[in-house]
Amino acid sequence: NAGVTQTPKFQVLKTGQSMTLQCAQDMNHEYMSWYRQDPGMGLRLIHYSVGAGITDQGEVPNGYNVSRSTTEDFPLRLLSAAPSQTSVYFCASSYVLRLGTEAFFGQGTRLTVV
Amino acid sequence: KNEVEQSPQNLTAQEGEFITINCSYSVGISALHWLQQHPGGGIVSLFMLSSGKKKHGRLIATINIQEKHSSLHITASHPRDSAVYICAVRRSTDKLIFGTGTRLQVFP
Repeated sequence: NAGVTQTPKFQVLKTGQSMTLQCAQDMNHEYMSWYRQDPGMGLRLIHYSVGAGITDQGEVPNGYNVSRSTTEDFPLRLLSAAPSQTSVYFCASSYVLRLGTEAFFGQGTRLTVV
Repeated sequence: KNEVEQSPQNLTAQEGEFITINCSYSVGISALHWLQQHPGGGIVSLFMLSSGKKKHGRLIATINIQEKHSSLHITASHPRDSAVYICAVRRSTDKLIFGTGTRLQVFP
């Protein structure tokens, strides 16, 4: 029962580098989402997906791309890292509300862009 | 004004005290979540509520839909309860809107 697996746990990037944060869930959840957590602010939605092949932008999508080729995986790509993207990132998954479920979160990725 | 407001922002307590954390929201919701985050750790779901009250061990969560308010209570608090407690509301679109969290420290 792995739940939501998010990798890596820590990452340091140089400005301009690209990278992919991985997120996988084994609960057959339709809804997956990425958030960033910054000091003094609530988690903010970056991108989300309601099923394979369907993605949409959240509150703070600029500088990030996502894809959802399978139900299980929802990677987040940083195209050209900037210091403003230094943050803690969380992936989450759940069933859509009609099935009524808790939200499950990954362990987080602490990203530093220098 | 944030759509989800939590109070207090910081809370300290002595072991054994009864603790209440409040959450008010200003939007229509289909459910409300209480989450727990330990320092350097991930986020764990404690409760999902759409009405009434839920209890799990020493934790109790209540929601008043008419007043757009929820409370999380911890009875007989313990140092291991020290964490950040986050309120999040779920919209009909399944999107979550998060409060900024309440940092709780329980001292022996």
